[in-house]
Amino acid sequence: AQTVTQSQPEMSVQEAETVTLSCTYDTSENNYYLFWYKQPPSRQMILVIRQEAYKQQNATENRFSVNFQKAAKSFSLKISDSQLGDTAMYFCALNSGGGADGLTFGKGTHLIIQP
Amino acid sequence: SQTIHQWPATLVQPVGSPLSLECTVEGTSNPNLYWYRQAAGRGLQLLFYSVGIGQISSEVPQNLSASRPQDRQFILSSKKLLLSDSGFYLCAWSEAYRRPQHFGDGTRLSIL
Repeated sequence: AQTVTQSQPEMSVQEAETVTLSCTYDTSENNYYLFWYKQPPSRQMILVIRQEAYKQQNATENRFSVNFQKAAKSFSLKISDSQLGDTAMYFCALNSGGGADGLTFGKGTHLIIQP
Repeated sequence: SQTIHQWPATLVQPVGSPLSLECTVEGTSNPNLYWYRQAAGRGLQLLFYSVGIGQISSEVPQNLSASRPQDRQFILSSKKLLLSDSGFYLCAWSEAYRRPQHFGDGTRLSIL
């Protein structure tokens, strides 16, 4: 079975600061995909960034970047120059395939950006 | 561009009543389709996924069922709702196996 753990239920930072959200996972697969999704108060799930396990280079998308440590099974999200619109629930998710193609989600981190 | 529609946005149903939630995708063909449930204060749990018409895989035993009568239509159903079926239901699609999944706006289901 695969699991995803987000150990920070809530975080709060000031606007323009940099914040890092933690995520650890467990899977017996060697080839898998990791994602960060954002869920603002509107409840829509928005893909933020993805990382393929066979790629050593960390993914980046504008102000969002990840620190992927495959040996440690760690996948943290860094948000630079945080903005008020970044306030949301952030979910780490794993797709390790096998017989199913669904995502396994962590419980989420509620990120609050303070003005 | 591809879009996903999910309805209704909100639904209040009595215990024991039937359920039908619908999801459609536009702008793509033969997508993989998924149903997730998000309980209060929790992450999403995969309920069903489908790789083609009439092909449904169930991940969690429950009194819910799913059907895919058309290529881009995915339906979540129940004959008799339970209180434990309350939650936020999200439909998603992807281009293929292990591709990023894109979500609809969700349905908030309350069981009384």
